[in-house]
Amino acid sequence: NAGVTQTPKFRILKIGQSMTLQCTQDMNHNYMYWYRQDPGMGLKLIYYSVGAGITDKGEVPNGYNVSRSTTEDFPLRLELAAPSQTSVYFCASSPVPGSGNTIYFGEGSWLTVV
Amino acid sequence: GENVEQHPSTLSVQEGDSAVIKCTYSDSASNYFPWYKQELGKRPQLIIDIRSNVGEKKDQRIAVTLNKTAKHFSLHITETQPEDSAVYFCAATYSGGGADGLTFGKGTHLIIQP
Repeated sequence: NAGVTQTPKFRILKIGQSMTLQCTQDMNHNYMYWYRQDPGMGLKLIYYSVGAGITDKGEVPNGYNVSRSTTEDFPLRLELAAPSQTSVYFCASSPVPGSGNTIYFGEGSWLTVV
Repeated sequence: GENVEQHPSTLSVQEGDSAVIKCTYSDSASNYFPWYKQELGKRPQLIIDIRSNVGEKKDQRIAVTLNKTAKHFSLHITETQPEDSAVYFCAATYSGGGADGLTFGKGTHLIIQP
């Protein structure tokens, strides 16, 4: 199994541009998440999904959108990129949250908005 | 929602000594507490976890303790080695309720001095 795969690994965007971070998992997990990690900080939840067709906002959803058309894929879209969105983005998945079912992270996507 | 506080933000210890990182959580419903290790430029990876029905768990040189009454849990690393240098994150969540994943602490940068 490849686990959680994210692309691209690195990207530079200009202010106002849009892009989509791709995420796919091959573990048949129902739950998927997008986190962002700012330098020297912890991880903050942007959006999550409990299954295909269902998404919900996390702690910091503004400026982002997601979709979940299949169990495997959970893309994150940035509309009108801003410098405040410069961060490392981690996609993750889990069977169910909590109680010993851990979250598995992708390798991260480094995004710089200039 | 859940709030997780983690201390210290930076911890420097001599190689071979022990290191202790402490976290507190706010939501008494939380029942799962994992610890992640993140090496520079890498994804967070689970190193140990504990459920609320257990007070202590060990895995070789690392151990985690949980005090549900006080709502705090700690990571203990004994006989530290250079490869233990990394950022460590604690997290908390609960199952059976919301599906919004883990709430992370802000991380502890552990430095092992030779």
